[in-house]
Order: sequence, then structure tokens, then C-alpha cells
Amino acid sequence: DTAVSQTPKYLVTQMGNDKSIKCEQNLGHDTMYWYKQDSKKFLKIMFSYNNKELIINETVPNRFSPKSPDKAHLNLHINSLELGDSAVYFCASSPFEGIGNYGYTFGSGTRLTVV
Amino acid sequence: AQSVTQLGSHVSVSEGALVLLRCNYSSSVPPYLFWYVQYPNQGLQLLLKYTSAATLVKGINGFEAEFKKSETSFHLTKPSAHMSDAAEYFCAVSVFTGNQFYFGTGTSLTVIP
Repeated sequence: DTAVSQTPKYLVTQMGNDKSIKCEQNLGHDTMYWYKQDSKKFLKIMFSYNNKELIINETVPNRFSPKSPDKAHLNLHINSLELGDSAVYFCASSPFEGIGNYGYTFGSGTRLTVV
Repeated sequence: AQSVTQLGSHVSVSEGALVLLRCNYSSSVPPYLFWYVQYPNQGLQLLLKYTSAATLVKGINGFEAEFKKSETSFHLTKPSAHMSDAAEYFCAVSVFTGNQFYFGTGTSLTVIP
């Protein structure tokens, strides 16, 4: 049983397209996150949802829109893809809004390549 | 606000040698500190965490880390490197009321046969 699963694992698309990445967790956690890992491996938080409510929205372009239909799912939709969007996107979850001493459970990542 | 600094973006050790990956943190309140490992083309996996109990923390795969408040450090060590330890290692900090991690920039560990 995969705790945090992301689909697809690889995504190659052309500039200007719209694409979505899906994330699901079966841990019963309340909070889910999207992180972007660039080519230098730097991890930057993009969004965080707690029980379907947006709690963190870092300064990402508004072409990126998270959607959380329920607390087990946090999808990422990207409009008008640009070359600079190429990265690995990680979904993660934690039991509650305050990370405290628990930490995250990460998905295996989605490698997005924009050509 | 919290932050972490990982000294050395690349570390190479010989198989069987000591592994030492450095992490220093900054936090105005007591921190929770974590080490994550990322194997090639995989997600991040928790190695170990410090949550204000014992200052010497043991994790998976023979790794351990020691919280030193006076030095604001949480360095990761392993007595004897194995080829399978080659990966990217991330230090991260959070606090009790925090709602996100602050990650370091990562250290890539290479193990030389």
C-alpha cells in the first residue's frame, strides 16, 4: 500500500499546454503539501492544505492552482506551461496542520519536463 | 523564522569510512530537526528526527545525529559508509506550532568503492 501516491511519475509536455498532477494519501492525514524541487535539488514549498482549506500559498505564479476535493487528495493544475516549470514536484502529507515532531510523508515525485 | 544550512553540497567518502554530513540551524524557539534521504529518482524518506527528547538520535540504516544546542548543529553520521548510502541528504527544521518545513539545500553523498 503506497501511503502518498502521485500520478503521473513522468510528464513531458510542450510549452503552453495545461497539465495536472494528482496526489492521494491513504494515511488519514489532515494536511497535504506541494513542493517543487529544482535542478539543484532545492526544495521549495508551494502550497499547503489542511482538511481542504488552503493554509500556505507561497509566491508561485497563478498559473499554478491546487485543488483539494477532500482531505485525501491534493491535485496540482498548471496552465500555460513554461520551460521554467520543468522540475520534480513532490506531494507530502502530515497528520495535522502543525508539523510539530511528526514530519512529512512524501510521495515519490512527478518529473515534469516542458519542451 | 527558522532556517538550516548544510555545509558542503557534495561529500565523497570511501566505502567503510566515516560519513559526516553537516547541518546547522537557526530558530528563535526550540526546534524539531529532521534528516531525510532521497535516493535517485525517488521521494524523500525520513532517516531520523530530534524532538526534544534524547540529544543523540538513532535512525535507519545505521545513521545517527546529535543535537548540540550550544553549536546549533544537528550533524548526521554513520561509522562505516556503504555503497547503498549514495544519495542526496536533506536537513530540515520545524517548530511545535510550525506548519511547514524549512529544508537545507541538500548534500549529495558519493561512496567510492
